[in-house]
Amino acid sequence: DIQMTQSPSSLSASVGDRVTITCRASQGINSYLAWFQQEPGKAPKSLIYAASSLQSGVPSKFSGSGSGTDFTLTISSLQPEDSATYYCQQYKTYPLTFGGGTKVEIK
Amino acid sequence: QVQLQESGPGLVKPSETLSLTCAVSGYSINSADHWGWIRQPPGEGLEWIGDIYQSGSTYYNPSLRSRVTISLDTSKNQFSLKLNSVTAADTAVYYCARRFVVVVTSVSHWYFDLWGRGTLVTVSS
Repeated sequence: DIQMTQSPSSLSASVGDRVTITCRASQGINSYLAWFQQEPGKAPKSLIYAASSLQSGVPSKFSGSGSGTDFTLTISSLQPEDSATYYCQQYKTYPLTFGGGTKVEIK
Repeated sequence: QVQLQESGPGLVKPSETLSLTCAVSGYSINSADHWGWIRQPPGEGLEWIGDIYQSGSTYYNPSLRSRVTISLDTSKNQFSLKLNSVTAADTAVYYCARRFVVVVTSVSHWYFDLWGRGTLVTVSS
């Protein structure tokens, strides 16, 4: 199985800050990576697919980058509504696997 | 507007079978997409359970393969999950989702673009 490791597991940042979350795959997955946002009590919401393509309707403050084993999700200017847990997921091979999540809080 | 809605019992007894259905509206389940189930134990992360293709082919998480069955019902535009011999460790919010295909620089990407709201299933006597 491909293990997905996210860091940090949690972070606290101020409104307007630039936030970066990293995701590392245990083996190369090309660009077969997606990012999701999950607000408390809600279903995950797609943000990014193909490592860097923005899902329709998602604000451009979200961006993704990377290929192979190392990936990042960046929020360019953190807002209160961005308080959530973020997950990466590889879909290169079965079984599909998720990172452990990064909880983003607002200071 | 495409919507997915999970339904099924919220309480299942240990050793029994968990059965959930995902009703799809605004979109034909016969379209060339995959359909999947994902679960999330309370306070924990996401775990992929399995996928079913429009062809009926299925792929399951090896950790659950011996207990899982996913099926399509095209006449009702829905797909289903059965998990047998459940224990307390199967208590979770269960989500159904669509794996949509997008071609990016000549490469097909099948990713979970749309999720249901999820349904909590508790395993307890």
